Amino acid sequence: AQSVTQPDIHITVSEGASLELRCNYSYGATPYLFWYVQSPGQGLQLLLKYFSGDTLVQGIKGFEAEFKRSQSSFNLRKPSVHWSDAAEYFCAVSGGGGYNKLIFGAGTRLAVHP
Amino acid sequence: GAVVSQHPSWVICKSGTSVKIECRSLDFQATTMFWYRQFPKQSLMLMATSNEGSKATYEQGVEKDKFLINHASLTLSTLTVTSAHPEDSSFYICSARDGGHNEQFFGPGTRLTVL
Repeated sequence: AQSVTQPDIHITVSEGASLELRCNYSYGATPYLFWYVQSPGQGLQLLLKYFSGDTLVQGIKGFEAEFKRSQSSFNLRKPSVHWSDAAEYFCAVSGGGGYNKLIFGAGTRLAVHP
Repeated sequence: GAVVSQHPSWVICKSGTSVKIECRSLDFQATTMFWYRQFPKQSLMLMATSNEGSKATYEQGVEKDKFLINHASLTLSTLTVTSAHPEDSSFYICSARDGGHNEQFFGPGTRLTVL
């Protein structure tokens, strides 16, 4: 069965520090992978996505993620965190084609210390 | 481009009443729309998938008679929570996908509170 695991429920970093949010997926075929960010009481904003090609993808707001098939991972990174990055981050997987159902991870809540 | 709106953004209703939530794709035609439910501090759970002009496909455990979904046009889907109860209080989020892309565009969500 398809699943997404985000091992870290809550992460706190200092402003200016680097960030890595982990995501592992379970999917039988080549997955389509996404990272979304959600601010409190808001909908989801797409940060980046991986469909094929270069395994290092660049997204908005200075985020990047690397697809590692051997590790079934799609970790999100940012070299220098800003206070405005504090939010909930969701990793998601889709099988592509068909109706593209998204399976979400449990989310990682990021807090940023000044 | 690719903007999805939801209306209302929040609603409070009495137990036993029905509430309708609208999801619109503003600048593209959405062949498929999805409805998600999100409890506080939890992830999004897919409730159903709807395709324009056909019946929605509900996920296991979601009562189709309680959560009525209509996708009558390529830009509008509605979710009606019938005979709402306090346990239906949640954040409901829709997303829309056009036929040519593998990406869903999300609405801002609707917070439902049932008293």
